[in-house]
Amino acid sequence: DIQMTQSPSSLSAFVGDRVTITCRSSQSIIRDLNWYQQKPGKAPKLLIYGASSLQSGVPSRFSGSGSGTLFTLTISSLQPEDFANYYCQHSFNIPFTFGPGTKVEIK
Amino acid sequence: QVQLVQSGAEVKKPGASVKVSCETSGYTFTDYYIHWVRQAPGQGLEWMGWISPKSGDTDYATKFQARVTMTRDTSISTAYIEVNSLLSDDTAIYYCARASRWELVGDYWGQGTLVTVSS
Repeated sequence: DIQMTQSPSSLSAFVGDRVTITCRSSQSIIRDLNWYQQKPGKAPKLLIYGASSLQSGVPSRFSGSGSGTLFTLTISSLQPEDFANYYCQHSFNIPFTFGPGTKVEIK
Repeated sequence: QVQLVQSGAEVKKPGASVKVSCETSGYTFTDYYIHWVRQAPGQGLEWMGWISPKSGDTDYATKFQARVTMTRDTSISTAYIEVNSLLSDDTAIYYCARASRWELVGDYWGQGTLVTVSS
């Protein structure tokens, strides 16, 4: 199974800050990497698919990059509604695995 | 609009079975795969498997192959997951998610169903 790791596990930031979350896979997954946002008590919401494609309806302040084993999610200017947990997930092969998550909190 | 609406919370005893439904609307049910993902309390996300509503084909994570069955009823655009021989470790929120292919890229998700396994 492909193992996914994320860093940091949590971060505190101000509204307006630029935030970057890193995701690593235990083997190359080409660009088969997706990012989700999850708020307490809610289902995950797809933000980015295929490493860098923005899901319809997602604000352009979210962007993704990377290939192979290293990927990043960037929020260019953090907004109050962005405080949540963020998960990466590979879709390269079965089983599809998720990273452990990054909690983004208000500073 | 696309909606996936799941059945309500369940409380089961160890060794019992549970069946969770995922009723879809707003799109052609047979054009998209349904994946099931679970989340234990305060924990991360765990993929369980997928079903093709068109063919009924399924594929499960090895961990769940012996205890999980995914089915669908195309007449009511609903997918189901049944988990047998429940353990306390199966206590989790179970989500269904829609994807255009067998790969999990979940563009719409159900609201989740809490399954509690307790004696």
